[in-house]
Amino acid sequence: DAKTTQPPSMDCAEGRAANLPCNHSTISGNEYVYWYRQIHSQGPQYIIHGLKNNETNEMASLIITEDRKSSTLILPHATLRDTAVYYCIVRAGGYQKVTFGIGTKLQVIP
Amino acid sequence: GAVVSQHPSWVICKSGTSVKIECRSLDFQATTMFWYRQFPKQSLMLMATSNEGSKATYEQGVEKDKFLINHASLTLSTLTVTSAHPEDSSFYICSASTADRPSGVDGYTFGSGTRLTVV
Repeated sequence: DAKTTQPPSMDCAEGRAANLPCNHSTISGNEYVYWYRQIHSQGPQYIIHGLKNNETNEMASLIITEDRKSSTLILPHATLRDTAVYYCIVRAGGYQKVTFGIGTKLQVIP
Repeated sequence: GAVVSQHPSWVICKSGTSVKIECRSLDFQATTMFWYRQFPKQSLMLMATSNEGSKATYEQGVEKDKFLINHASLTLSTLTVTSAHPEDSSFYICSASTADRPSGVDGYTFGSGTRLTVV
């Protein structure tokens, strides 16, 4: 799996958009970008994933640059419940194991 | 959506005893499951990959005789921590690959984790 780089921490005001960046400059053509988050003392939760097109679901939007070397997860209206560690992972599909980096600790501030 | 159930959610055991943690895929069959360990303020560390009907593949540095993994069916994998010691106290998390699901798109679904405290 390609290695990813994320800022260790970020703050965001409640109600504002949270933009979490991820660099994955060594991503391969068949690797997807996945985002998960982990709220304290819980298992990771899937948020969104994409290959090269931007994606949106009920939780977030994923913006992938044209060269696919970086991406941004956008939480449009952050709430206090969005405080968590967010992990950006790149991997091919199938049964391959997932290696987690340190992620970004997002603190949503009232 | 895919659901993975993990039990127990927390357990306290005496040093020297063994503890079994169960991971079940509730609405899909999981050929492959993964076990992670997470120490406080650290990221998830992959311990082993569990394949149904075959021996688990352990990551470097993980003692296979201490962390016994069994994946006897397509919906159940177990992790047994044998002769537990205080340094084994950690948060253990399982995940299942949804590659088996015809409509699976999220890659992996995680259990809610088990907090193990060895006293």
